[in-house]
Amino acid sequence: EVQLVESGGGLVQPGRSLKLSCAASGFTFSNYYMAWVRQAPKKGLEWVATISTSGSRTYYPDSVKGRFTISRDNAKSSLYLQMNSLKSEDTATYYCARQGYYYDGTYYSYYFDYWGQGVMVTVSS
Amino acid sequence: DTVLTQSPALAVSPGERVSISCRASEGVNSYMHWYQQKPGQQPKLLIYKASNLASGVPARFSGSGSGTDFTLTIDPVEADDTATYFCQQSWNDPFTFGSGTKLEIK
Repeated sequence: EVQLVESGGGLVQPGRSLKLSCAASGFTFSNYYMAWVRQAPKKGLEWVATISTSGSRTYYPDSVKGRFTISRDNAKSSLYLQMNSLKSEDTATYYCARQGYYYDGTYYSYYFDYWGQGVMVTVSS
Repeated sequence: DTVLTQSPALAVSPGERVSISCRASEGVNSYMHWYQQKPGQQPKLLIYKASNLASGVPARFSGSGSGTDFTLTIDPVEADDTATYFCQQSWNDPFTFGSGTKLEIK
């Protein structure tokens, strides 16, 4: 059974840093891209970061580029999100997600096929 | 960014058929995916690449569409389907989600 368990959330002041962790089990972690997706209170979902299988390639939307860093340790089946220069608008539940894919012979189609329970991050003074 | 527009809410009775729409501000080929999120839970993948049923998802759920207009259909609806349904595209960078459609079962 695929399991993703996040940790490291909490209350942090604006401008400070926080690092989230995600422990994965039930699948071969090193074979999958992994991602972080967040959801502000009572709001929709926002993709935050993706990392390739080896960790050599990372992808971010403009809203967090330069402030957030995704990383992984395949030996430990663990995913991380280092969040710096936090802002109030970063307040959200952060989900660790496995990034599945469908290859139609030409392109890869990426989606999030398993999600953790989420961890809350509150940025406030 | 590609904006995905969903109607905010729908209400249907058990046993009925319901269609939830998602319209993209620009073409996304068939790279649209659907998720179900029940209150207090994480999202769950239902449909990938427009029409492919995810593992373990009942055949009552189906998806269709291409380009800019997509539909998630539940037939027949059951009481347990009360949830918010999100679409997500992966054709354009960055990945984006719709704002969600809250489905109420009468």
